[in-house]
Amino acid sequence: DVVMTQSPLSLPVTLGQPASISCRSSQSLVYSDGNTYLIWFQQRPGQSPRRLIYQVSNRDSGVPDRFSGSGSGTDFTLKISRVEAEDVGVYYCMQATHWPPITFGQGTRLEIK
Amino acid sequence: EVQVLESGGGLMQPGGSLRLSCEASGFTFSTYAMSWVRQAPGKGLEWVSTIRGSGGSTYYADSVKGRFTISRDDSKNTLYLQIHSLRADDTAVYYCTKGHHGDYWGRGTLVTVSS
Repeated sequence: DVVMTQSPLSLPVTLGQPASISCRSSQSLVYSDGNTYLIWFQQRPGQSPRRLIYQVSNRDSGVPDRFSGSGSGTDFTLKISRVEAEDVGVYYCMQATHWPPITFGQGTRLEIK
Repeated sequence: EVQVLESGGGLMQPGGSLRLSCEASGFTFSTYAMSWVRQAPGKGLEWVSTIRGSGGSTYYADSVKGRFTISRDDSKNTLYLQIHSLRADDTAVYYCTKGHHGDYWGRGTLVTVSS
C-alpha cells in the first residue's frame, strides 16, 4: 500500500501570511497514463471534506486562487498564499494512482495564531 | 448541481447489520464510479470501498473486506453499503463520494456501534 505522510500535522498561521503543507508518498504517484493522481482536500470544522486540487495542481471550480498545488513523483505541496479566517480546518492529501487501496495522509490542522 | 445524500446510519449493537444508502443527482449516475469513505470521531479519512460504473468491479479496504458489500441501483441513482458483523471500530461518519477522486461528498451519515 502507498503510505502518504503529511507535515506538519499542526500549522499555526497568522492571518494574511502564507502557509505550506507537504505530502510525501512511499512510491511515485505517476500512473501509466502519465498523470499523477494526487489530490488535496479541505475539511472545515463540522463540515464534509471538499476537494481543492486534483492531479497535483488543478484547482477545482470555486476554489480561490490563493490555493495552489505543486510537486511531482513522491513529493507534493499545498500552498496558501495569504491565509484567511475561512481557511481554518484540516487538510488532507490523497493518492488514487496505486489503488486499491486509495490512501490518505494523516491530515494537517491549520489554525490562526 | 451535483448532490449526494447519505442515509441509514444510527446506533447499532455489535454484531449487527445495517445498510447505508446514498442518493445521487445532478450527473449521469450510471457512468461514474462511486465510493464510500469513513471518518472515525476525531480521526482522519479512511477509504472504504469503490464500485465502478454500471455495476462493475468492486474494491474494498482490507479492514472491511468480507463484512462490507458495496452495490448500486442505477435505475434509482442510489449507492449502497451493506455492513455485517458490526464492530466498535466501525463507528464513524460514512461519506458517499462521486467517483474515486473525491470530487463531490455528501454530508455523511453517522454509524455508532455500541452496546
